[in-house]
Amino acid sequence: GQQLNQSPQSMFIQEGEDVSMNCTSSSIFNTWLWYKQDPGEGPVLLIALYKAGELTSNGRLTAQFGITRKDSFLNISASIPSDVGIYFCAGQRETSGSRLTFGEGTQLTVNP
Amino acid sequence: DAGVTQSPTHLIKTRGQHVTLRCSPISGHKSVSWYQQVLGQGPQFIFQYYEKEERGRGNFPDRFSARQFPNYSSELNVNALLLGDSALYLCASSSKYSHQPQHFGDGTRLSIL
Repeated sequence: GQQLNQSPQSMFIQEGEDVSMNCTSSSIFNTWLWYKQDPGEGPVLLIALYKAGELTSNGRLTAQFGITRKDSFLNISASIPSDVGIYFCAGQRETSGSRLTFGEGTQLTVNP
Repeated sequence: DAGVTQSPTHLIKTRGQHVTLRCSPISGHKSVSWYQQVLGQGPQFIFQYYEKEERGRGNFPDRFSARQFPNYSSELNVNALLLGDSALYLCASSSKYSHQPQHFGDGTRLSIL
């Protein structure tokens, strides 16, 4: 099925470093969401973006809705060990109800 | 308030059997969606139900079916199980039909032998 292009696929960083990941699509989405998934658990919503150009923060996390509506970015500042996990972007179209199209995920490893 | 709850947490079946997975949405949420997540990939949309009606269907065979009950809980049924159906099945709920963030349960891990 269709998925968003998410990069990087994996990241290995030191505690305290900043992290950036992004998601791109060939088509427009009306809503972009970022989720984090820990082993054995379901995805947990981090940030939801509803307008092109929107920049939203949630603690050390900041996400942006690309101006073209075809991409989104997530930044994590001053990473800590509990940031370890898989981060997924997801797009939603108004014409498709609640259907989410997911990226393939970014596996983040933080070394203490 | 309780989040999205799914049962069972784990299930082992053999090829050809059928399975029923259950989901209770967050209180007040009327939309339930089902996703399949194969190991190493992002979740893939299977169904959306809103106000007890199917409102969307992903690219899955007719062996997959679902329904939503008057209390907005939902069941996902899969018939004639194949080895490739082994996956984490996730349920998500939202308060409205669209333009609302979805909240996920912890899923049912289905293994087919």
